[in-house]
Amino acid sequence: QLQLQESGPGLVKTSETLSLTCTVSSGSISSNNYYWGWIRQPPGKGLEWIGSVSYSGSTYYNPSLKSRVSISVDTSKNQFSLNLRSVTAADTAVYFCARQSQYCSGDRCYAVLSWFDPWGQGSLVTVSS
Amino acid sequence: QSALTQPASVSGSPGQSITISCSGTSSDVGVYNFVSWYQQHPGEAPKVIIYDVTKRPSGVSNRFSGSKSGNTASLTISGLQAEDEADYYCCSYGGSNTLKVVFGGGTKLTVL
Repeated sequence: QLQLQESGPGLVKTSETLSLTCTVSSGSISSNNYYWGWIRQPPGKGLEWIGSVSYSGSTYYNPSLKSRVSISVDTSKNQFSLNLRSVTAADTAVYFCARQSQYCSGDRCYAVLSWFDPWGQGSLVTVSS
Repeated sequence: QSALTQPASVSGSPGQSITISCSGTSSDVGVYNFVSWYQQHPGEAPKVIIYDVTKRPSGVSNRFSGSKSGNTASLTISGLQAEDEADYYCCSYGGSNTLKVVFGGGTKLTVL
């Protein structure tokens, strides 16, 4: 079945850019029925949606992070990536990638972002000076 | 838009039923039927157990059920088992304006 795997540095310095890649295997990222999302979880805290991207490159971001975040997709590599600029200690978290369903009726989809499944195992990123 | 509101903790004994609430607004939970619920055991990734308010993915026990009334969604777990002890998160589509995806703060379920 479809699997997702996050990869990237586990330690990022304050004020630098956090970059993670999610590799999709046993399935194609090029499906009109889905978006591909990033979610993070600070240690001991809850889940926060960061943003989502379609295979064609349409993106939606959490307004609280929008000024610092970009998400891109590389269909040739079956990957999508997260960049978070100007990081601080508050960005220390486990970062998950996940496939996200969108509402579709017939052959038309409406960018109504719904449930996440499956998820990657998560990647702990620590921000420190 | 703010996070959806969930109780910080709930508890129950084996065999009992519990319900976790997820309070939103008329901009998210109240107007869209795109509420999902996730179970997360320590050190693991979340796993979807309910989507589109009431639907269960293949392989998820029918002891888990979802519902919605007004701006509040609910997850009910019947016949509590020890392995149900976990954190539970609700999530809703937030509409087309700003925050498209909003999570609840999470609820810690303790099986006594």
